[in-house]
Amino acid sequence: QKEVEQNSGPLSVPEGAIASLNCTYSDRGSQSFFWYRQYSGKSPELIMFIYSNGDKEDGRFTAQLNKASQYVSLLIRDSQPSDSATYLCAVRAGGKLIFGQGTELSVKP
Amino acid sequence: DTAVSQTPKYLVTQMGNDKSIKCEQNLGHDTMYWYKQDSKKFLKIMFSYNNKELIINETVPNRFSPKSPDKAHLNLHINSLELGDSAVYFCASSQDGRLDYGYTFGSGTRLTVV
Repeated sequence: QKEVEQNSGPLSVPEGAIASLNCTYSDRGSQSFFWYRQYSGKSPELIMFIYSNGDKEDGRFTAQLNKASQYVSLLIRDSQPSDSATYLCAVRAGGKLIFGQGTELSVKP
Repeated sequence: DTAVSQTPKYLVTQMGNDKSIKCEQNLGHDTMYWYKQDSKKFLKIMFSYNNKELIINETVPNRFSPKSPDKAHLNLHINSLELGDSAVYFCASSQDGRLDYGYTFGSGTRLTVV
């Protein structure tokens, strides 16, 4: 079992819709959880972090964490074509950040 | 500008050569990392240094040797390059002791071994 798993996609949503990205992790001792966005040919950019169960909102982004289910998600409301990128889920465990394989999101105008 | 900077951005070299990638951060962070991103976009940690001390060394061939002359610099030297070493290598840094602190990544070095 991979330590951090994501659906690789591509996930295609129309402009203005809600994009839902999911991630599961295997280490119950994981402490904090991050979502990075990576545009093609660019470096990963941190967009959200969460470490308590529940929801955390920042603008159009909402991160959700359920430690009992070992599940993290990212919702992007009012999706824009500029949101088209690969979204990487990352989990801090054992003193390091472990990444999932990323979900490619495509927002169609 | 405060940032993590890597050089070179692109590196094309022949099999068997030795090459180095340099990384510098001016964020005042304590810990620096090397990650490798393969063609499927999977980011995998290779090494981590905390204040010049090696603290994480994943299962990486010993052809790869990191060096940290001070806590703001972390270099990666690769001996006897192989075709499978072709990837994007990212340097990153973070501040210790904060659960809410993610890593800041450099712009990456695209290594192509021919």
